[in-house]
Amino acid sequence: GQQVMQIPQYQHVQEGEDFTTYCNSSTTLSNIQWYKQRPGGHPVFLIQLVKSGEVKKQKRLTFQFGEAKKNSSLHITATQTTDVGTYFCAGYNYGQNFVFGPGTRLSVLP
Amino acid sequence: DSGVTQTPKHLITATGQRVTLRCSPRSGDLSVYWYQQSLDQGLQFLIQYYNGEERAKGNILERFSAQQFPDLHSELNLSSLELGDSALYFCASSVGEPTGNYGYTFGSGTRLTVV
Repeated sequence: GQQVMQIPQYQHVQEGEDFTTYCNSSTTLSNIQWYKQRPGGHPVFLIQLVKSGEVKKQKRLTFQFGEAKKNSSLHITATQTTDVGTYFCAGYNYGQNFVFGPGTRLSVLP
Repeated sequence: DSGVTQTPKHLITATGQRVTLRCSPRSGDLSVYWYQQSLDQGLQFLIQYYNGEERAKGNILERFSAQQFPDLHSELNLSSLELGDSALYFCASSVGEPTGNYGYTFGSGTRLTVV
């Protein structure tokens, strides 16, 4: 079945540094979504990417969908302590369900 | 408040027991999904309902069952509980058919501890 992997599993950065997490699927995806889960909280939907090579920005966050629609990335510029949490990607194929990656846990040192 | 309500927030029970977790989806959402998140783990898909009908099953144990009622709230029943069932159980809802075009809205979860 479809598998979604994320790297790195953990990332510790100094406040102000950039951060990137990568998401890779074993199969071509119809679309991909990104979620953020703060410590002790629940996942919150961030964005959905549908088109090959699509790039979307939300303030300091940049999301990218690969040309082959098998990978995606989330880049945060100049991290802040409010960025702390676990970032999940979720890949979707028609007729199936979203498969969540294991997540990347980000910690930001002030 | 995400609009998805889960009760109870915490549940402590003994092995062998049975519990019921409840979820009320966001107003207008017809799809309900159940996920299990073990400590420091990802989100494991359990089951999905759309407008009262079961649409998909994931890695849901035979000891677990769920249903969605006419008012669209859903219940997840966990029976013959084992220590390994201790986890955070999330319910999520989305608008429209589960075609993958909509983001999920998650509830705050039910933390189940089996002792």
